[in-house]
Amino acid sequence: NAGVTQTPKFQVLKTGQSMTLQCAQDMNHEYMSWYRQDPGMGLRLIHYSVGAGITDQGEVPNGYNVSRSTTEDFPLRLLSAAPSQTSVYFCASREPGTQQPQHFGDGTRLSIL
Amino acid sequence: GEDVEQSLFLSVREGDSSVINCTYTDSSSTYLYWYKQEPGAGLQLLTYIFSNMDMKQDQRLTVLLNKKDKHLSLRIADTQTGDSAIYFCAENPSNYQLIWGAGTKLIIKP
Repeated sequence: NAGVTQTPKFQVLKTGQSMTLQCAQDMNHEYMSWYRQDPGMGLRLIHYSVGAGITDQGEVPNGYNVSRSTTEDFPLRLLSAAPSQTSVYFCASREPGTQQPQHFGDGTRLSIL
Repeated sequence: GEDVEQSLFLSVREGDSSVINCTYTDSSSTYLYWYKQEPGAGLQLLTYIFSNMDMKQDQRLTVLLNKKDKHLSLRIADTQTGDSAIYFCAENPSNYQLIWGAGTKLIIKP
C-alpha cells in the first residue's frame, strides 16, 4: 500500500517564486491536513479538508492555498515564497472520528533562499 | 491558550526504561496520542489513550494519564537502539485538529 505520498521530497526556491506541493492518498480517507514542522516546535496545522470540495484554515494559513477537488489529492500552493516558509511540510490523512490515527507522508523539505 | 509541552531531549542506556513526559492544557481532549518520527520520515502513531483511562499497556509501551494534572507519559521498557527517534505527544481539543508538542528526541547510549 502506498499510503500517503508527497512530492517532491526536496525543493529549493527563490523568494517570490510559487510552487505546489503534491499530496495523494489511496486509503479513501475523508480528512486530509497539511502541517509544517520547524525545529523545536510541534507540528503546526496550515490547512485541512474534511472531504472533497471542503477546506478550512488551520493555525498558520497565511501564504498558502489549498484545494480538494478529489478525495485522493490535496495540493498545497505557496503563492509567493518567503524565507519564513523554509520548513518541512507534512501531509496527513485519516478516517473521520477523533480516535482515528493520522497517516503521514514522508515530508517535503523546502528551502527558500 | 492551547499548548502541549515536552522536554526536547532524553538520553537513556540501552536496556533501561525510557520515560517521556508531556503536559497538555485542554481538559476537553478526548484522546491523547504518542507518535514516533524516525529520521527523514513522517510521523507514525505509536499508541493513544482515551481520556477516561489512566493507563494503557501495549507490549513494551505503557502510557500513563493523570487528568487532574494534565500529565501524560510514555514508558518504553528495555529500550533498544531502534527506539531512537523523536516522540511527539498530541491532544485533540476538536474533531478536526491535533495540538502537538515540540517532540522529545530519545538518544540511546550503548
